Amino acid sequence: AQTVTQSQPEMSVQEAETVTLSCTYDTSESDYYLFWYKQPPSRQMILVIRQEAYKQQNATENRFSVNFQKAAKSFSLKISDSQLGDAAMYFCAFSNYGGATNKLIFGTGTLLAVQP
Amino acid sequence: GAVVSQHPSRVICKSGTSVKIECRSLDFQATTMFWYRQFPKQSLMLMATSNEGSKATYEQGVEKDKFLINHASLTLSTLTVTSAHPEDSSFYICSADGLNQINEQFFGPGTRLTVL
Repeated sequence: AQTVTQSQPEMSVQEAETVTLSCTYDTSESDYYLFWYKQPPSRQMILVIRQEAYKQQNATENRFSVNFQKAAKSFSLKISDSQLGDAAMYFCAFSNYGGATNKLIFGTGTLLAVQP
Repeated sequence: GAVVSQHPSRVICKSGTSVKIECRSLDFQATTMFWYRQFPKQSLMLMATSNEGSKATYEQGVEKDKFLINHASLTLSTLTVTSAHPEDSSFYICSADGLNQINEQFFGPGTRLTVL
């Protein structure tokens, strides 16, 4: 069974600084998807970034980028130029490629605080 | 695009009553919808996967007779909590996919259920 581990329950970063959130996962599959979701206080889940495992290039979305290390099964999220609006719970998630359903397996989350 | 709504956003009910939560995909057809439960400061726990026109697939440990799921159309899934008790109080979130092939799920804003 696949598992997703986020070892940092809480992180803090100064406004305008850079922070990296860690995520590791375990799977025997070779094709899969990885996601970072943000859950602000409103509790609306928002997709931050996604990575297809077959792509070697790390995904980037504006200030958000990932460091995807397939062999190490690591998928960290880097937030550059942190803003107050980035304060939220961040969840790393895994999904198998293909198959009957697209179930997401979530990590336990990292609560990010942004200090002004 | 890809908006998912949930109704109601908050509900308070007496112990022993049943509560229905609706999940709608507003601008796309969702072949599959998912229901999650989230306790305070915890991750999302998948309860069941709902496919249009067929029976839902429940995760291990989730009571089928307590959490009734119906997916009658490609835009609507409902979760009914039957004979609710205080321990059923939680935040319930639905999501939908079917929009693309990259396993992305689109989340509703959630429903806070309080059972007195």
